[in-house]
Parts: sequence; C-alpha cells; structure tokens
Amino acid sequence: GAVVSQHPSWVICKSGTSVKIECRSLDFQATTMFWYRQFPKQSLMLMATSNEGSKATYEQGVEKDKFLINHASLTLSTLTVTSAHPEDSSFYICSARPGITEAFFGQGTRLTVV
Amino acid sequence: AQSVSQHNHHVILSEAASLELGCNYSYGGTVNLFWYVQYPGQHLQLLLKYFSGDPLVKGIKGFEAEFIKSKFSFNLRKPSVQWSDTAEYFCAVNYDQGNLIFGKGTKLSVKP
Repeated sequence: GAVVSQHPSWVICKSGTSVKIECRSLDFQATTMFWYRQFPKQSLMLMATSNEGSKATYEQGVEKDKFLINHASLTLSTLTVTSAHPEDSSFYICSARPGITEAFFGQGTRLTVV
Repeated sequence: AQSVSQHNHHVILSEAASLELGCNYSYGGTVNLFWYVQYPGQHLQLLLKYFSGDPLVKGIKGFEAEFIKSKFSFNLRKPSVQWSDTAEYFCAVNYDQGNLIFGKGTKLSVKP
C-alpha cells in the first residue's frame, strides 16, 4: 500500500531554535497533505491543510509565522516550528492524500523542546 | 511491537444496516483509544475516545465503541447507517501517553 514517511521520528531541540519536519509520500503523488498535532491525553488537532504549489490553509488559533508549512512538490511537505518553546513540545503527524478519498499517515514526530 | 489492526479494508452496507468495525491493539500497558473519521475530501475528525471509566463510549452521529480489555479490542458500532456515513474510519491508540499509532483504516460505503 501507499507509504508516507515522516522524518525525524523524534527530535529534541533547545528553546529558541527552529525544527523542520518532513513528510514524504513515497509511492504516490499527494495533492493534499494535512498536519496534525496531539497533546498528551488529547485527540489530534488539525493545524493546517497543505496544497501543492499554494499557501497552506491554517486552522483558527494556529500561528502561521510559527508553524511554517511548505508543500513544494507533490511528494514533499515540510513543517518548520520556528523559535520553538517548551509549549511546542508535542506529537506532530502528517497525512497525505493521492486523491479525495483515502489518506495515509506518517509515523509521526515527537518534538521535545528543552 | 505496538500495533493497531483494523480487520476490514472495505465494508459495503445498505442504508439502515447495522455497522461494526473491528479494531484490535497489541498489548502494551495503559492505552487511550480513539476512532477518527475522514469524509471524502475532508480532514480527520474525532468520532469518540476512551481514556478511562465506562468502557462503552458514545460519540458523535450515533456512533459508539466498546473497550474490551481482555480482548484488546475497541470496536466501533452504529445501529443504523446512513448514506452520509460513507467515509474512511481509523482506529488509533496511544500507549502510555506515547505516540499515536493508527490502524490502516476501513473504508465504509453505504448504498442508498
């Protein structure tokens, strides 16, 4: 089946630095990718919808300048957490869609900001 | 390794039929359990979740799920499906508040 690879699986960074997370569709072209965030003991929260070649659509309450999303090609979307702070520590997961129905998930990235 | 299994890849039902989608997870300690739905063209939405307490959980749109610890299962049910329930359904598990692990999803097609 279709594979979505997310990298890195986990990252620890210092407060104030930036971290980039990559989401790649390995064997299909993804016109749309979604970025989610999960806080401990909570469900996933959609952060933004990323369409290839256009600006991402952010959900209400998500800071565009803090969570930079780039969908430069049909197989790659990146999420950059800029000037990370401890409250940004979370589990981030992407999903990619080859069409309008099925979605495939990356394995997620555990970000810890110290 | 921790894993989540959804037994059916594609389920086809007629309207008013009853639905049960299976979800099993591997043993790994304390778990939080979720069912998500993704309608065509849309992002994931939470249907229901179980953290503790009553093992029978009621969610939105008439869905419910039962946590059976002895069977490591968290099956999703709905007594009478509608055409608008056509979507893909994902079971997900948090182990010891670690990363969320998804099942591969079950596509539900409801015929009007």
